[in-house]
Amino acid sequence: DGGITQSPKYLFRKEGQNVTLSCEQNLNHDAMYWYRQDPGQGLRLIYYSQIVNDFQKGDIAEGYSVSREKKESFPLTVTSAQKNPTAFYLCASSTRQGARDIQYFGAGTRLSVL
Amino acid sequence: GNSVTQMEGPVTLSEEAFLTINCTYTATGYPSLFWYVQYPGEGLQLLLKATKADDKGSNKGFEATYRKETTSFHLEKGSVQVSDSAVYFCGMTTDSWGKLQFGAGTQVVVTP
Repeated sequence: DGGITQSPKYLFRKEGQNVTLSCEQNLNHDAMYWYRQDPGQGLRLIYYSQIVNDFQKGDIAEGYSVSREKKESFPLTVTSAQKNPTAFYLCASSTRQGARDIQYFGAGTRLSVL
Repeated sequence: GNSVTQMEGPVTLSEEAFLTINCTYTATGYPSLFWYVQYPGEGLQLLLKATKADDKGSNKGFEATYRKETTSFHLEKGSVQVSDSAVYFCGMTTDSWGKLQFGAGTQVVVTP
């Protein structure tokens, strides 16, 4: 079945540690996205990528980094510079057809600080 | 700037009640509008969409009509079930590549 796989489901970060969240899609989609979800605040865009080897900052990119070396993969690193990383992180992908595009979401990774 | 505003929750209903979740938007140009649903512990799933004025999106008994004159996209369902308990997000795309902006989400709780 085609879809988006995020791992791990739960992740714990220690002080000063970088952690990486995995996102893999087998939908052959060009575009991929990372969102952060905090209670009562909806989703906010962290980074997005429209094509391999290219990505842009979203609304809250500080303290995060990404790479897009393969079409199917878009890992997110939460660096030690992100002082409040506890949140639910969602990865999405789309065919990059433009404003009518539908984004498909993974099941999410819940990150907590130890 | 562009924004999406939806009614705050939680909205608590009895089974078979009528559900309305209000959503209004502010945008330049002609956005596409979406409703996504998030079940507990899961990611978001597209519920329905509308890409131009007066379009009606529908799915699983839910409906929403793109009203340009009132800049609204209210979600409705005539008879809710316990299984409809979830968080509902109104979303909008305005950029050519489809960047989604979401409202804050509305939690719906349906009791037997």
